[in-house]
Amino acid sequence: QKEVEQDPGPLSVPEGAIVSLNCTYSNSAFQYFMWYRQYSRKGPELLMYTYSSGNKEDGRFTAQVDKSSKYISLFIRDSQPSDSATYLCAMTLNTGNQFYFGTGTSLTVIP
Amino acid sequence: DTGVSQNPRHKITKRGQNVTFRCDPISEHNRLYWYRQTLGQGPEFLTYFQNEAQLEKSRLLSDRFSAERPKGSFSTLEIQRTEQGDSAMYLCASSLALQGVNEKLFFGSGTQLSVL
Repeated sequence: QKEVEQDPGPLSVPEGAIVSLNCTYSNSAFQYFMWYRQYSRKGPELLMYTYSSGNKEDGRFTAQVDKSSKYISLFIRDSQPSDSATYLCAMTLNTGNQFYFGTGTSLTVIP
Repeated sequence: DTGVSQNPRHKITKRGQNVTFRCDPISEHNRLYWYRQTLGQGPEFLTYFQNEAQLEKSRLLSDRFSAERPKGSFSTLEIQRTEQGDSAMYLCASSLALQGVNEKLFFGSGTQLSVL
């Protein structure tokens, strides 16, 4: 079993839709959770960072962590064509060096 | 531009040749990571440095791969005797790792390697 599981998609939605992206994980010791956005032929860009259960909001983006279910989500409200990218979840055990990435979900927002 | 810089952006080489990539991290960052990413997959850890010390290498890393960070600033990743299976995007990331501070990785744009 992989440490982090993520549905690869692809996911296609119309402009303005609410998008939900999800990851599950197996190690209950993970403490820090991240979402990265990766455009084609570019490196991943840090989008959201959280370390506790609950919600964290930043503009149109909301990151949700449910440690009891070992499940994290990223919600995108009022999705835009510029949100079309691959979204990677990542997590770490503590402030150490091991970052575990999901395989990424490909999202296309259709104008 | 004060982000992570990687060169070259693209490299095409013939099987058996050696290649070297360079990464310039964000200047105040003390950790530097190398990852490999293939299509449809997340980044796969290769190795990382704390300042000039290489602290960990992936068990999956072939001995044809070597990395250096001689003065704790830029880093190079060399692949000797390249194979077609080495074709991938090689990503560099840096971070500021301090006790009590949550570590965040910042990635460069990557070097896309194609081995013919």
